[in-house]
Amino acid sequence: KAGVTQTPRYLIKTRGQQVTLSCSPISGHRSVSWYQQTPGQGLQFLFEYFSETQRNKGNFPGRFSGRQFSNSRSEMNVSTLELGDSALYLCASSEGTGVKEQYFGPGTRLTVT
Amino acid sequence: AQSVTQLDSHVSVSEGTPVLLRCNYSSSYSPSLFWYVQHPNKGLQLLLKYTSAATLVKGINGFEAEFKKSETSFHLTKPSAHMSDAAEYFCGATKTSYDKVIFGPGTSLSVIP
Repeated sequence: KAGVTQTPRYLIKTRGQQVTLSCSPISGHRSVSWYQQTPGQGLQFLFEYFSETQRNKGNFPGRFSGRQFSNSRSEMNVSTLELGDSALYLCASSEGTGVKEQYFGPGTRLTVT
Repeated sequence: AQSVTQLDSHVSVSEGTPVLLRCNYSSSYSPSLFWYVQHPNKGLQLLLKYTSAATLVKGINGFEAEFKKSETSFHLTKPSAHMSDAAEYFCGATKTSYDKVIFGPGTSLSVIP
């Protein structure tokens, strides 16, 4: 099976712009979780989608949003980018039931200037 | 509230010596527990998981971890460190597959030749 893929891998944006990141989970997986990773804050949970519904949500402002499509692919959007949004954004897929064994993608490195 | 603590932010060992990375969790139930490894500029890779079966869990690359309920610990060990083990290690916990995974802050492992 193909692994989790994320596009794009690298992104440079200007403060105030918006960005959309994409994640394709492992075939058959219905859950996709998003994390923000920064050197100072570690792994911060953004949200999880399961069967097109948001199942869990972290403590991020409303500028961060996501969605999941019927084929389980997920996107996350960040509007009005701030310098502090510079981070590695990781998505992880899992079956969604049973043990929450997550498989991570390589991440999207977002730099906000 | 559930939390995960990794007591050491950085561990340094010599090649060929044992590795011990510590993880403690705080919850009112027996969670599912995970160890992940992250090499530079990569996503997280699952090393092993505990799901209330055997308390001693074996994972990939010679790693294993023991679940000790009385100590609320899930420490990761390896008998002999290899240079390729140098990476960041994350411990995670979750109540059920419907809940988010809580990660510790991570432990950076250095292996000295």
